[in-house]
Amino acid sequence: AQKVTQAQTEISVVEKEDVTLDCVYETRDTTYYLFWYKQPPSGELVFLIRRNSFDEQNEISGRYSWNFQKSTSSFNFTITASQVVDSAVYFCALSGGGANSKLTFGKGITLSVRP
Amino acid sequence: DTAVSQTPKYLVTQMGNDKSIKCEQNLGHDTMYWYKQDSKKFLKIMFSYNNKELIINETVPNRFSPKSPDKAHLNLHINSLELGDSAVYFCASSQWAGAFNQPQHFGDGTRLSIL
Repeated sequence: AQKVTQAQTEISVVEKEDVTLDCVYETRDTTYYLFWYKQPPSGELVFLIRRNSFDEQNEISGRYSWNFQKSTSSFNFTITASQVVDSAVYFCALSGGGANSKLTFGKGITLSVRP
Repeated sequence: DTAVSQTPKYLVTQMGNDKSIKCEQNLGHDTMYWYKQDSKKFLKIMFSYNNKELIINETVPNRFSPKSPDKAHLNLHINSLELGDSAVYFCASSQWAGAFNQPQHFGDGTRLSIL
């Protein structure tokens, strides 16, 4: 069975602070895929990143960076110099490598960035 | 251009009624999905179709019936609506690579409220 745990439920920071959103996953698959999605207050779901289990390189995209560590089954997301527009619910998700392995979402982290 | 579009955006109706939500994608994807997001923001897969064939049915009550007339469309019909059906329903689509490991592109959601 797959499981994604986002232990933080709500985080509030002041603009320009750095913030890390934690994601811990469980799976028995040796091949699997990890994702982050953003849901701003307007409600749509926006894909941010996909990582496969064989690629442990960290990724940076502008102010966003992701740290994937298989040893701790974690795929954490850091926003550097946060901005008000980063306020959203962020979901971590996991998909197994086998056919018909569905996408399992964590419960989401609500990030509020105050001016 | 809208990639995944759902209609209607809002649906307010009374218990016992039957309603439909339509979804269309213009991304050329093979696979489409319906998700339910409850009041606590938890996202759960309901159905998935690959090239018009049902491949995931996640123990959803049979009052919910998806229909895929072609691979660009996946509609959701709900009979005898109940209070517990109140939620946001998201349609999504992705490429098919033999498993659910491709990024999914989501529609804006349909907020269903049962009176």
